[in-house]
Amino acid sequence: DQQVKQNSPSLSVQEGRISILNCDYTNSMFDYFLWYKKYPAEGPTFLISISSIKDKNEDGRFTVFLNKSAKHLSLHIVPSQPGDSAVYFCAARETSYDKVIFGPGTSLSVIP
Amino acid sequence: NAGVTQTPKFRILKIGQSMTLQCTQDMNHNYMYWYRQDPGMGLKLIYYSVGAGITDKGEVPNGYNVSRSTTEDFPLRLELAAPSQTSVYFCASSYSVVGKNTEAFFGQGTRLTVV
Repeated sequence: DQQVKQNSPSLSVQEGRISILNCDYTNSMFDYFLWYKKYPAEGPTFLISISSIKDKNEDGRFTVFLNKSAKHLSLHIVPSQPGDSAVYFCAARETSYDKVIFGPGTSLSVIP
Repeated sequence: NAGVTQTPKFRILKIGQSMTLQCTQDMNHNYMYWYRQDPGMGLKLIYYSVGAGITDKGEVPNGYNVSRSTTEDFPLRLELAAPSQTSVYFCASSYSVVGKNTEAFFGQGTRLTVV
């Protein structure tokens, strides 16, 4: 049973437009959420994160929104650039455990 | 700037063979992790360690073993390889519990095929 879900396996966006990647979770004990980006043949790299006590965190072109009541978070990329084309993983940490659970990923293609 | 280094990058194993995937980090991180990535399934945690001498099971530990004799190294052992273990394996490390300013750093991965 997947605790972290990314229901869109892929997403295509025009360069300069907004990319919105969604993530849902089922475990109410998750207290910290992260987004990782992965290029082919490379390991994932950390992108942005948010604590459960916040509802928004911004870093340059990347903003993560958290809706705890809906158990939903989203990553917004504005404006999208071709170099953003990658697989994006949503991940969540449970307070009482030292481990991070990953979603299945969304493959983003930014079309020039 | 080595970070997390995994060896080998690629390996083909026959069913029933065994092998060790090596992982070493030079960031003096206490926490280390092994994940596997199957197509469309994201990363599943196999084992993790919060410090030398301490290991614990993740989501999918069956068929694997780990040890953590030093802070730097966290090898993953496959005994009696099975086709279901065909996957890409990632090692990661973090200074402490993943959180603000303590994100996990990943190696480049080991692509393992069991035939």
